[in-house]
Amino acid sequence: GDSVTQMEGPVTLSEEAFLTINCTYTATGYPSLFWYVQYPGEGLQLLLKATKADDKGSNKGFEATYRKETTSFHLEKGSVQVSDSAVYFCALTPGGGTSYGKLTFGQGTILTVHP
Amino acid sequence: EPEVTQTPSHQVTQMGQEVILRCVPISNHLYFYWYRQILGQKVEFLVSFYNNEISEKSEIFDDQFSVERPDGSNFTLKIRSTKLEDSAMYFCASLAKNIQYFGAGTRLSVL
Repeated sequence: GDSVTQMEGPVTLSEEAFLTINCTYTATGYPSLFWYVQYPGEGLQLLLKATKADDKGSNKGFEATYRKETTSFHLEKGSVQVSDSAVYFCALTPGGGTSYGKLTFGQGTILTVHP
Repeated sequence: EPEVTQTPSHQVTQMGQEVILRCVPISNHLYFYWYRQILGQKVEFLVSFYNNEISEKSEIFDDQFSVERPDGSNFTLKIRSTKLEDSAMYFCASLAKNIQYFGAGTRLSVL
């Protein structure tokens, strides 16, 4: 079945540092790929998404590119802020013409940014 | 901004008791989902619901679980006889424009 693997955490950075959180996936066909973020005490919020190969999703300074050849969707940000401290989840929905299917999540990566 | 609302935020129950977790999806959304996250593990899909019936369910979603949309606004997850291993965070989501919107979750603690 489909699966998502994220880099092990937690990740601790200083403010303004560069962030990469690796994500790779296994899926048949052409899944849609997502990054969700969970701030303390809140639900999962969509951060960005990409629905086909070579698409780049971006939001709030975060970016991720759908790489079919390496089955990856790594999350990057050039300069993190303390307010970016959260748990980040990589996820996919199956391909095949519908995006109404279940989300398959990675294990989540805890990011802590210090001033 | 519309949001998915879940109640209660924390539910404590005794093993063997029935619990009902409640969700109010975003108005006009048509697809609904339940997920759970056991502490330290991945968020796992439980069930999806459309047009008043289950459209997909996982192996986890056995006969102990049921979902219902009783009144056109609420979407509930019932666990008939809770087990210790049901202790987890339960998330509800609803779908629009291919994006699932999540509630803040209900933490279920089974003692």
